[in-house]
Amino acid sequence: DAKTTQPNSMESNEEEPVHLPCNHSTISGTDYIHWYRQLPSQGPEYVIHGLTSNVNNRMASLAIAEDRKSSTLILHRATLRDAAVYYCIPMNSGYSTLTFGKGTMLLVSP
Amino acid sequence: NAGVTQTPKFRILKIGQSMTLQCTQDMNHNYMYWYRQDPGMGLKLIYYSVGAGITDKGEVPNGYNVSRSTTEDFPLRLELAAPSQTSVYFCASVWTESGAGELFFGEGSRLTVL
Repeated sequence: DAKTTQPNSMESNEEEPVHLPCNHSTISGTDYIHWYRQLPSQGPEYVIHGLTSNVNNRMASLAIAEDRKSSTLILHRATLRDAAVYYCIPMNSGYSTLTFGKGTMLLVSP
Repeated sequence: NAGVTQTPKFRILKIGQSMTLQCTQDMNHNYMYWYRQDPGMGLKLIYYSVGAGITDKGEVPNGYNVSRSTTEDFPLRLELAAPSQTSVYFCASVWTESGAGELFFGEGSRLTVL
């Protein structure tokens, strides 16, 4: 399985954009890049995923580097509810195990 | 759809007792997972299953057992509970035809062993 590296924590002010980076230099050509987040006292929830092209949904945007060795989750206007631990995970139909790294704890200040 | 349903949500066990955490998904997902999360820590994979009748160990399987007799159900059995098994347990499932499938999690089962 591909390994990922994320900063332990990041801080943002409310209403400002947040860029959460993830390094996945060992990713294979068929791995999708998934992002999940875990709000306090809740189970993880899906945020977004992509393969090669940048992706947008109602929650966030995902920017994938051209060489696919890194990606950035973009929250366009952080809210207090976005304070959570964010995980990036390569996923592939051939991966039977799905292990989570430590993720990035995002702190949002009013 | 109900998604992934875990029961019970909370449970207190005495040392040496046994119990089963139930997990059911109604999305016909092939892969299912059990994770544990200790306070302030990340998710650790306990066991996983790639389909009915097939299970395998994850990172921290000691003290646990699983079965997958149907596509929908993936119960986690704790034998001889120990304080070290105090944790929050999450079940998850995904359809992995291509790697584009979304991973769904249950709400968690909070277990305390005293």
